[in-house]
Amino acid sequence: NAGVTQTPKFQVLKTGQSMTLQCAQDMNHEYMSWYRQDPGMGLRLIHYSVGAGITDQGEVPNGYNVSRSTTEDFPLRLLSAAPSQTSVYFCASRNMGGRDGSSYEQYFGPGTRLTVT
Amino acid sequence: AQSVTQLGSHVSVSEGALVLLRCNYSSSVPPYLFWYVQYPNQGLQLLLKYTSAATLVKGINGFEAEFKKSETSFHLTKPSAHMSDAAEYFCAVSETSYDKVIFGPGTSLSVIP
Repeated sequence: NAGVTQTPKFQVLKTGQSMTLQCAQDMNHEYMSWYRQDPGMGLRLIHYSVGAGITDQGEVPNGYNVSRSTTEDFPLRLLSAAPSQTSVYFCASRNMGGRDGSSYEQYFGPGTRLTVT
Repeated sequence: AQSVTQLGSHVSVSEGALVLLRCNYSSSVPPYLFWYVQYPNQGLQLLLKYTSAATLVKGINGFEAEFKKSETSFHLTKPSAHMSDAAEYFCAVSETSYDKVIFGPGTSLSVIP
């Protein structure tokens, strides 16, 4: 298994440009999520999905769009990049636990380092 | 809504000394709690998780954490620090086993030889 993959690894954008960060997993996980990591802020949840066709907002969703057309893929779109979106972006996936109390950890991709000038 | 605070953005310990990293959570229901570690320029790796089976949870690399409901805490400890423990540590909470996971701001651990 490749696990969680992210592309690209690095990206530089100009203010106002758009782009899509790709995320894919081959573990058949129902749950996928996007975080951004900034110094001193930890990981902040942008959007998440509990299955194909279902997405929801996290802590910092403004400026980002997501869709989930398949179980495997969960792309993150920046419609009009701003310098405040300079960050490291992590995608993660996990199995969803059952109501018996079982829970599963998230598996993280290697990250995408985005700079917006 | 659930949230996590981690007291101390930077912690320094001497090699061989006790490691104590603090985590307090806020949750309206009994939470699921996690500790992750991130080594420089790498992704995140799970250290341990609490899912109500036992209040003292043992993880990898000699780390353990104790869930204390009365204190809403889930502090991470290791009896003897090793140089290789230097990393960023994140506490995370989820209110259900199938819901979003919220992370704390992280604690950077330095180990002094």
